[in-house]
Amino acid sequence: SSEVTQDPAVSVALGQTVRITCQGDTLRDYYATWYQQKPGRAPVLLFYGKNNRPSGVPDRFSASSSGTTSYLTIAGAQAEDEAVYYCNSRDSINYVLFGGGTQLTVL
Amino acid sequence: QVQLQESGPGLVKPSETLSLTCNVSGFSISSGHYWGWIRQPPGKGLEWIGSLYKNGHTYKNPSLKSAVTLSVDTSKNVFTLTLKSVTAADTAVYYCGRDPQPYVVTHAFDIWGQGRLVTVSS
Repeated sequence: SSEVTQDPAVSVALGQTVRITCQGDTLRDYYATWYQQKPGRAPVLLFYGKNNRPSGVPDRFSASSSGTTSYLTIAGAQAEDEAVYYCNSRDSINYVLFGGGTQLTVL
Repeated sequence: QVQLQESGPGLVKPSETLSLTCNVSGFSISSGHYWGWIRQPPGKGLEWIGSLYKNGHTYKNPSLKSAVTLSVDTSKNVFTLTLKSVTAADTAVYYCGRDPQPYVVTHAFDIWGQGRLVTVSS
């Protein structure tokens, strides 16, 4: 069955650039959706579709993809970016699969 | 501004039915957007439950499909989730959300409710 995988944890020094990855066969055909979730809060949509970024998402966040891997890049990470980041994708029968999430620590 | 609010029992007994309602304010549920449910077991990741449209068309997670019913009441501007025969594994925070683009399903959610913790326990 299809699955979407993420590294469990990533760290970045304050002000540096970090890339969070999302891997899965479905990502070859469908764009990843990215969310940020802070403790006790609902997820916040960062990107969906072909690089659609909702208003209010800082432009230090960007999304890209190559083959079966999608990337969320934070250029100049801030302390407030410390959170869990989730990606998801869909498959050919509109089954939506979430990755397990990546805990980002800003040092 | 658009707001979503989940409501329903916070405690459900095993083998019974979980029912939640998402109350939408500041936006018409008949606008053309899809609406959906996502859940998150305590300390774990997100799981998509399903999405539905104003005309009753649905997409559902295949692993939950037979147990899940999604419905919409445009007159009350709400949509609902029912999950039959629950077990402890269904204990989670249940979120409702709005798909951002009208007339097409993206399976993304740009507006979320605050979440409702439902515990399955006798």
